[in-house]
Order: sequence, then structure tokens, then C-alpha cells
Amino acid sequence: DGGITQSPKYLFRKEGQNVTLSCEQNLNHDAMYWYRQDPGQGLRLIYYSQIVNDFQKGDIAEGYSVSREKKESFPLTVTSAQKNPTAFYLCASTGSQYSNQPQHFGDGTRLSIL
Amino acid sequence: AQSVTQLDSHVSVSEGTPVLLRCNYSSSYSPSLFWYVQHPNKGLQLLLKYTSAATLVKGINGFEAEFKKSETSFHLTKPSAHMSDAAEYFCVVILRDNYGQNFVFGPGTRLSVLP
Repeated sequence: DGGITQSPKYLFRKEGQNVTLSCEQNLNHDAMYWYRQDPGQGLRLIYYSQIVNDFQKGDIAEGYSVSREKKESFPLTVTSAQKNPTAFYLCASTGSQYSNQPQHFGDGTRLSIL
Repeated sequence: AQSVTQLDSHVSVSEGTPVLLRCNYSSSYSPSLFWYVQHPNKGLQLLLKYTSAATLVKGINGFEAEFKKSETSFHLTKPSAHMSDAAEYFCVVILRDNYGQNFVFGPGTRLSVLP
């Protein structure tokens, strides 16, 4: 079955450490997104990519970085510059730049500070 | 500018009674609208979508929503709530810019179902 796989499900970060969250999709989608969700709150856009080798900052990109070297993969790095990284991170994808179709979501990665 | 408002942060219903979750949007053109459900520690699952076809949209698990342009609303309903419906629900509208499309999320409505 096609879908989005996020790993790991749980991740712990030490002070001053960078960590990378994985997002892989086998839906042949061009567009991919990263969101942050804090307890009891909605989703906030971190980064998005409409095509391989291109990505754009979202509303809260500071302290995060991404790459899009392959269509299937859109990893998110939470850098040490992100002072409050504890949150639930969700990856999503959709068909193309103007597909007008809904996003598909992974099951998320919960990041906590040690 | 486009935005999405979910008028209730929390709705509580008894099992077997109707569910109404409200969503209003602001858009300068005919929007594409979606409802998603999120169970604890899970991703978002699509319930239904409106993309300028029929105004009454049927989704999964007995949910449906009606697009009313005059009221700029897209309320989610279900005739009879089930315990498994307890979750967070998000209304979403597509925003388009020079780089493509992005999705504007409402703040969410938490649905509780009482036995």
C-alpha cells in the first residue's frame, strides 16, 4: 500500500545536538511538507517542497533545515538553534504543485528534550 | 487573504446523538476545502473533500459536510456519534501563491463522546 513513513516514532535530543527526522513517501507525489504541532494546538508549517532540489520556508522555519535530493524523501533536521523543539512533527505530501488534492500524512514523530 | 475559523474548540456529545462541527472560511475565490480527523499520537486522516463539485459531500465513517458559499461555511455533521469518533478535527482550505499551493489549517475542534 502506498503511504508516508515517518521515523523514528519517538526521538530524544540532548542540548546542543542536531537530530534528523525521516519522511519517505511511495505515492509518487511531487509536493512534501513538514508541520509542527504543539499540545492542544493546530499545525504550523515549517518547510515545504514542491519539487526535487527546491524547498521554501514556512511560517516557523528558524532552527530547522531540510533537503530534497530525491522525490521520495524529505528529511527534517532540528538544529541546536531551535531552543524549544519539543513537539509532534508531521510530514505530508500531495500530488503536484496545483493538484487541488488533499494532503496525505504520516503518523508523526514525537521529539522530546533529554 | 484566506483563513479558516473553527468556532468551537471543544464539542461534547452523547453516543448516538448528532454531531455538528462548524467551519467558516474566508477566500477571494471558490476554495477547495477538506476535513481531517486526528486520533491521539497519530497523523491526520482525510474525512472528506470539497473541490467545486457537489455541495453536499459524503465522507468516511458516516460523516458529511455541506459547502454553503453564501455563508462561507463548510460544517461537518454525522447523524449518530460513536465512541470511536472522539478525536481532534481540522478544517483545511487551500491557499495558492507563486510557489504553488499551501494548506491553511483551522485551529481544530476536540470532539468528546460521552457514553
